Amino acid sequence: QKEVEQNSGPLSVPEGAIASLNCTYSDRGSQSFFWYRQYSGKSPELIMSIYSNGDKEDGRFTAQLNKASQYVSLLIRDSQPSDSATYLCAVNRPGSSASKIIFGSGTRLSIRP
Amino acid sequence: EAQVTQNPRYLITVTGKKLTVTCSQNMNHEYMSWYRQDPGLGLRQIYYSMNVEVTDKGDVPEGYKVSRKEKRNFPLILESPSPNQTSLYFCASSPRPGQGPYNEQFFGPGTRLTVL
Repeated sequence: QKEVEQNSGPLSVPEGAIASLNCTYSDRGSQSFFWYRQYSGKSPELIMSIYSNGDKEDGRFTAQLNKASQYVSLLIRDSQPSDSATYLCAVNRPGSSASKIIFGSGTRLSIRP
Repeated sequence: EAQVTQNPRYLITVTGKKLTVTCSQNMNHEYMSWYRQDPGLGLRQIYYSMNVEVTDKGDVPEGYKVSRKEKRNFPLILESPSPNQTSLYFCASSPRPGQGPYNEQFFGPGTRLTVL
């Protein structure tokens, strides 16, 4: 079982709709959760972080965390063509002297006009 | 401007020819890390450093070396590159090791390496 799992996609969503991206993780001790956006050929860019159960909203983005189910999601409202990218879920791996971050392999999102 | 820089951005080399990819950050971050990104495998950590002179292996360290003599710089060294090290490499930094926001990593622009 991978430490951080994401559906690779592509996920195709019409412009203006809500895009829902999901991620599961294996270590119950994880405490820090991140969503990065990566355009093709570019570096990952942090768009959301969440550290406690529930929802966290920032503009059109909402991160949702459910530690009991070991599940974290990202909702993008009013999807725009510029949201077309690969979204990486990242989770800290607890138990080491330095808190290491493990990345999922990403979900490719395509917003169709 | 707060940033992480990497050089070179693109490199084509041959098997066995030693190379160094530089990484520098101007945010006074303690924690720096190197990742490689391959299709279908995502980002995998090669080495990380918690501070000057403190480095440790990540998940895929074989064939790589690092050093951290100054806080801002964290070069990645391939002593004898091989074709399986052809990849996209990213350097990243975060304020310091720890929980929560301290883990938020900022990435450099990437170095695309091809080893023939």
